[in-house]
Amino acid sequence: GENVEQHPSTLSVQEGDSAVIKCTYSDSASNYFPWYKQELGKRPQLIIDIRSNVGEKKDQRIAVTLNKTAKHFSLHITETQPEDSAVYFCAARGGGGSYIPTFGRGTSLIVHP
Amino acid sequence: NAGVTQTPKFQVLKTGQSMTLQCAQDMNHEYMSWYRQDPGMGLRLIHYSVGAGITDQGEVPNGYNVSRSTTEDFPLRLLSAAPSQTSVYFCASRRTSGTGELFFGEGSRLTVL
Repeated sequence: GENVEQHPSTLSVQEGDSAVIKCTYSDSASNYFPWYKQELGKRPQLIIDIRSNVGEKKDQRIAVTLNKTAKHFSLHITETQPEDSAVYFCAARGGGGSYIPTFGRGTSLIVHP
Repeated sequence: NAGVTQTPKFQVLKTGQSMTLQCAQDMNHEYMSWYRQDPGMGLRLIHYSVGAGITDQGEVPNGYNVSRSTTEDFPLRLLSAAPSQTSVYFCASRRTSGTGELFFGEGSRLTVL
């Protein structure tokens, strides 16, 4: 089955800095890579996703890049703000009609004012 | 739409007791799933269903049962609770076509003494 590794487990930055979270996956058939944000005590919510036919996707201050050859993808947050503090999960979902995403273990991002 | 609704939000059980976590969605999603979230372990899939009458095991199914008699409901049953089942449980659903976004419930925090 799919295996997703996520690093780092904790990331501490100053407000205004950039933050990068990296994930690797094992199944070359995976074709959908979402990122979820979970604020303290809340449910995970999708913030951005990318499909395997695209190398990069941006949405305001967040962007995701995908390297299919190396089987890794990354979340980039620019100009971080305290409200970006949360746990971020990456996931990978296989092709062939698979409905099941495999999640990484999460990254706790702390943005210091 | 209410989205994905989970009950109860909090529950304390004694070892050996049984209980059911309820999950309902009003988005006509075919796919429903249960995850448990433990510190440092990310989101681990317990059971999932791709439609009424169809269920399958995820990564950590032992000690849990599910059924899917309707499209809307997907209850999770703990047969004989153990302290190792102390966790936060999330129900999530999505359409089997379309964007692939998972919609999560608010979570249920279960403590087994």
